[in-house]
Amino acid sequence: EAQVTQNPRYLITVTGKKLTVTCSQNMNHEYMSWYRQDPGLGLRQIYYSMNVEVTDKGDVPEGYKVSRKEKRNFPLILESPSPNQTSLYFCASRATGGDTQYFGPGTRLTVL
Amino acid sequence: EDKVVQSPLSLVVHEGDTVTLNCSYEVTNFRSLLWYKQEKKAPTFLFMLTSSGIEKKSGRLSSILDKKELSSILNITATQTGDSAIYLCAVANAGGTSYGKLTFGQGTILTVHP
Repeated sequence: EAQVTQNPRYLITVTGKKLTVTCSQNMNHEYMSWYRQDPGLGLRQIYYSMNVEVTDKGDVPEGYKVSRKEKRNFPLILESPSPNQTSLYFCASRATGGDTQYFGPGTRLTVL
Repeated sequence: EDKVVQSPLSLVVHEGDTVTLNCSYEVTNFRSLLWYKQEKKAPTFLFMLTSSGIEKKSGRLSSILDKKELSSILNITATQTGDSAIYLCAVANAGGTSYGKLTFGQGTILTVHP
């Protein structure tokens, strides 16, 4: 089944403790992206990647890192999480030139 | 800075009504405008509109892009309770053959009562 998976789905952590949210897709898509969703603000793009080893900042990259060493994986790294990074995170992927962006199920992160 | 604004923020209608959702944008390098529907989970793609495809239709849903007014509308006719969702508008900004950076609006929460 074609899908985007994220892990974990829920995470409660404390300020300053490094964490990684994984994202994996099985559709051989070149493009992958991370978003955060907060009430009243809609979805905001954090980082995106047009292909392996190619990443670019979205609108809200501060406090986040990404890497794209393999086509299927695009992990989101929070080196020192803070409470303002409490949010719902979505990973998505799309084929180059394609219209449809497929979203993962979301990761709800709480930073205390 | 790219900006996308949706209106209204929230809308309550009864089954059978027709609704129009609005999206306006300011983007430095417009490539395309996308509509998504989000129920209690991840967004699902509805339409993509570009300079060469300014009108799309699928069943009771249709969308038009007005490049002159820098806006788009999403119409839903004969609404059903299953149309209740958050509708998200996004604008893609990139050069080349494919879009990279995507800016979303705040979303419109549509509630359809039986």
